[in-house]
Amino acid sequence: SQTIHQWPATLVQPVGSPLSLECTVEGTSNPNLYWYRQAAGRGLQLLFYSVGIGQISSEVPQNLSASRPQDRQFILSSKKLLLSDSGFYLCAWSVSTGSFSPLHFGNGTRLTVT
Amino acid sequence: SQQGEEDPQALSIQEGENATMNCSYKTSINNLQWYRQNSGRGLVHLILIRSNEREKHSGRLRVTLDTSKKSSSLLITASRAADTASYFCATDSGTYKYIFGTGTRLKVLA
Repeated sequence: SQTIHQWPATLVQPVGSPLSLECTVEGTSNPNLYWYRQAAGRGLQLLFYSVGIGQISSEVPQNLSASRPQDRQFILSSKKLLLSDSGFYLCAWSVSTGSFSPLHFGNGTRLTVT
Repeated sequence: SQQGEEDPQALSIQEGENATMNCSYKTSINNLQWYRQNSGRGLVHLILIRSNEREKHSGRLRVTLDTSKKSSSLLITASRAADTASYFCATDSGTYKYIFGTGTRLKVLA
């Protein structure tokens, strides 16, 4: 069966520090991968999605970036965090073939920038 | 930008009652999905309805889709305390880009 791992679960970082959040998927090949951010009590904002290695689409211009170094690994990074980067970050995957595949989410990383 | 908007933003009902929440979206879609999120956790997929379907059932869940009005509704029948969660709709226009709404916070009182 497929599983998705996302870590760390919580993170407290000072303003201006770098960020690296990692997500890996097991049990499937060539998944579509996604990074979402959720502000407290709000909906999900799509940050990045990837339909293959080296193919990253950015939805929101900001100081975040994403990379997909391996087929089932998706990394969210920042060189210098801002206070506004605080939030709940969710990684998700879906089957790449066809367009009727649900998203499968990790348990999220709660990031607090101080 | 947010594609979907859920209504109401918050809903409080007694156990055993039905809960209905609505979702409106702006552009043409390939399919619409509903998800549940327990506090502090990731989202869990509940049900998917294709753009050529009008109604779908799964257990105590009933989803309707009206593409002419660009809206969908999720009905949870005979609600339980364990149904307390936030519920989100998500739309896909066939580009693998899933856009979520703002969510409905459901509280079921025992």
